Amino acid sequence: DTEVTQTPKHLVMGMTNKKSLKCEQHMGHRAMYWYKQKAKKPPELMFVYSYEKLSINESVPSRFSPECPNSSLLNLHLHALQPEDSALYLCASSPDRGAKNIQYFGAGTRLSVL
Amino acid sequence: QQQVKQSPQSLIVQKGGISIINCAYENTAFDYFPWYQQFPGKGPALLIAIRPDVSEKKEGRFTISFNKSAKQFSLHIMDSQPGDSATYFCAASQGSRGSTLGRLYFGRGTQLTVWP
Repeated sequence: DTEVTQTPKHLVMGMTNKKSLKCEQHMGHRAMYWYKQKAKKPPELMFVYSYEKLSINESVPSRFSPECPNSSLLNLHLHALQPEDSALYLCASSPDRGAKNIQYFGAGTRLSVL
Repeated sequence: QQQVKQSPQSLIVQKGGISIINCAYENTAFDYFPWYQQFPGKGPALLIAIRPDVSEKKEGRFTISFNKSAKQFSLHIMDSQPGDSATYFCAASQGSRGSTLGRLYFGRGTQLTVWP
């Protein structure tokens, strides 16, 4: 099973709302990732967690707050977003960050900020 | 700075034809080169991957050719089918230690359309 599950599939929020995206994997992977993808563009890395610790933050604005409660779960908390934050948010996982960096992606959450 | 350059941006191929997508990189520390396939509304799915100690890898109709000296690699889709119509991303990463560990550098993507 190489499944990464993301919920919700779609999310519409106002600029003053607080919402969270959820990502789950049960492959025993120890690295998890958040990406943002705009239409017709490649995924852009936002955050990397390795063994539940934040390893990479790509200078993402503080209105995006990641959380890794355990090795299977990754959350992305959203607050006071801007319309330009509307995008497909992808979660991925890999066995670790090293040589076997085979990343498996979820189907994504389509976020619209009004 | 684009670490991985991908071409063409779009490709139209007739059913049964060969689709070829090319990528080039500069960083010789890259040691893993995956290709991802993405359908509209879905996340990227790993299609096939290669390491630089191999010049070619084939999985079914999909083949990666790798030229280490030229720092180029390409994806060939033989007998292209309408169901192959998707966006294809090449990528590169390095498995050594450091701040770049775990980072995938994506090409800009190629939108492939296969006409029936």
